[in-house]
Amino acid sequence: DAGITQSPRHKVTETGTPVTLRCHQTENHRYMYWYRQDPGHGLRLIHYSYGVKDTDKGEVSDGYSVSRSKTEDFLLTLESATSSQTSVYFCAITPRGGFNYGYTFGSGTRLTVV
Amino acid sequence: DQQVKQNSPSLSVQEGRISILNCDYTNSMFDYFLWYKKYPAEGPTFLISISSIKDKNEDGRFTVFLNKSAKHLSLHIVPSQPGDSAVYFCAASSYAGGTSYGKLTFGQGTILTVHP
Repeated sequence: DAGITQSPRHKVTETGTPVTLRCHQTENHRYMYWYRQDPGHGLRLIHYSYGVKDTDKGEVSDGYSVSRSKTEDFLLTLESATSSQTSVYFCAITPRGGFNYGYTFGSGTRLTVV
Repeated sequence: DQQVKQNSPSLSVQEGRISILNCDYTNSMFDYFLWYKKYPAEGPTFLISISSIKDKNEDGRFTVFLNKSAKHLSLHIVPSQPGDSAVYFCAASSYAGGTSYGKLTFGQGTILTVHP
């Protein structure tokens, strides 16, 4: 299969609690991304990583942090979940910054904040 | 400020006919464009791409057209099949001399339904 897995697939959490989503890849790709998908907005970039310990913000990074301590894992943390963070979260990987390869996406994590 | 726009939320087409999905962008620095297809409960999958140095790219039943002066791209599917029913996202990026880190800006998506 694609070599990228997200966990958990579904999560319901309460407002104000911390939540961590995990993206794991077995492709040894350098670039990893977290997107969220919301109706009317398509997919929006939250954070991305261009190497171990190298991360940067995307267009909707407020309320989120990330960490990448090894090539295969990219963690997205909601420090204190809010209802506006209810969404479907997708992780994506690509071997390099050019686009001949496109992205490979994970299957997504559906997060509900109540 | 939506830099990539898909103004048609949905499109319904008969099997065997052509499906045309449209996408407009505002950022003149975008130089690479991609289309992704998404089925329910799955991640998007890469479909086809086009560089700004071209105006057309073909892959089997899928053709992407780019009109840089109009800042418009379209995806043509011929002939359409029921299995093509999915959400289609267009995406754009600026290579920016290699410093873009592969970041993509996506449109809102268009739901394509192909009726048998």
